[in-house]
Amino acid sequence: QVQLQESGPGLVKPSQTLSLTCTVSGGSISSGSYYWSWIRQPAGKGLEWIGRIYTSGSTNYNPSLKSRVTISVDTSKNQFSLKLSSVTAADTAVYYCARAVVVYNWFDPWGQGTLVTVSS
Amino acid sequence: SYELTQPLSVSVALGQTARITCGGNNIGSKNVHWYQQKPGQAPVLVIYRDSNRPSGIPERFSGSNSGNTATLTISRAQAGDEADYYCQVWDSSSLVFGGGTKLTVL
Repeated sequence: QVQLQESGPGLVKPSQTLSLTCTVSGGSISSGSYYWSWIRQPAGKGLEWIGRIYTSGSTNYNPSLKSRVTISVDTSKNQFSLKLSSVTAADTAVYYCARAVVVYNWFDPWGQGTLVTVSS
Repeated sequence: SYELTQPLSVSVALGQTARITCGGNNIGSKNVHWYQQKPGQAPVLVIYRDSNRPSGIPERFSGSNSGNTATLTISRAQAGDEADYYCQVWDSSSLVFGGGTKLTVL
């Protein structure tokens, strides 16, 4: 059973870069059947898709965040990562990583989520 | 950009049927997926590709999609079904979530 786990700093200063890693266990991130995605959720608000990466390194990003987002994959560590630059308080949220099925794009499973607060 | 519209809240009496809608332009031509999220927890997939249930999801959960509206139906609602529900589609190289619906079981 595949499991995902987010890790990274819980506090980031404004204007700095938010960096998170998702570790995949119970399966290979190199499987050609899945995309690996990041999704976030501000407190009390809805879900926002950030972007995704395929095992080949091909990426797609939410147009509203595209200029600040980089998603990368490290198949040797079975991990993928998120970098979000020039953060502000509006980027404070719970960040989830999730696996999405190729073609149909449903998410299952999800990581438990990690809270990142942007504050000085 | 594509938008999905969900009611902010839906209430249902215990044991009755709840219907949560997700509106979008010609959404019937897209694959719609539904997630349940309980407080403090990650979302869980309850319906994929309009009407398919993942293993472990009760048969009480069903979905349909036609025209401009997709619907998640929860039959014989239980107290444990109280949660936020989100619809989701893929459109033109971007992924979209609905705003979410809070289901209250009375």
